Amino acid sequence: QKEVEQNSGPLSVPEGAIASLNCTYSDRGSQSFFWYRQYSGKSPELIMSIYSNGDKEDGRFTAQLNKASQYVSLLIRDSQPSDSATYLCAVNMGSGGSNYKLTFGKGTLLTVNP
Amino acid sequence: EADIYQTPRYLVIGTGKKITLECSQTMGHDKMYWYQQDPGMELHLIHYSYGVNSTEKGDLSSESTVSRIRTEHFPLTLESARPSHTSQYLCASRGARGSREQYFGPGTRLTVT
Repeated sequence: QKEVEQNSGPLSVPEGAIASLNCTYSDRGSQSFFWYRQYSGKSPELIMSIYSNGDKEDGRFTAQLNKASQYVSLLIRDSQPSDSATYLCAVNMGSGGSNYKLTFGKGTLLTVNP
Repeated sequence: EADIYQTPRYLVIGTGKKITLECSQTMGHDKMYWYQQDPGMELHLIHYSYGVNSTEKGDLSSESTVSRIRTEHFPLTLESARPSHTSQYLCASRGARGSREQYFGPGTRLTVT
C-alpha cells in the first residue's frame, strides 16, 4: 500500500522559532511533493511544491526533498501565531506519469505560542 | 492558483433528502476531485475525474455519485442523505498536462439530521 507518513505531533514551538515538519513516503518512484496548510474548519491551502532534490525557499518557508531517503520536510522560520494550523504532506506517487491522484499524510498540528 | 467554487457552503438537511453539492472551476482544469473530511481527521478521496464523461471512485467507498458533463462542473449527489453522511466535502482541481499542482475549493459542510 502506498503511504505517506508524517510526524504525529502535535508540535508546539515558541514564536520566532523554527518549526520543522517531516514526511516520509513509500513509493520510490514518486515525482511531485506538496505541503498544504489547513486551518481548523477550512480547506487545505497549497503553500509549497517541490519536484527536485534539494531545498526550495519561499519567504519563511523552505521545503527540502531527499528522494534517496524518501523524505520531504518543511521548515518554517520565524514562526508566527498565524502559522498555527495542520500541515499536510501530499505526494503524487508513481513514476509513470499517469497517476494524477495525491496521497495525503494524516497531518501534523502545529501550534506557535506567543 | 485556481478559482474553485463550491455551493452551498453550509447545508443542514433531514434524513432521506436528495442532495447535490456543486463544484465548479473557471481555469479549464481537466482533473477534478472530491474529498471527504471529518473534523480533525484525514482527507479521503471519494471520487475523481480526468475529463468530460470520465469519473472514477476514489480510495474511500462512498454512497455518493458524481457526473462530469462539462469541464468546469463536477457535482456530487447523495440520493438519500443519512446522518452518517455528515461531514465536510472538499472539491479540488488540477491543471492540464505539465501542471502538477492541485487546488481546493472552500468546501461544503453538510449536516444530516
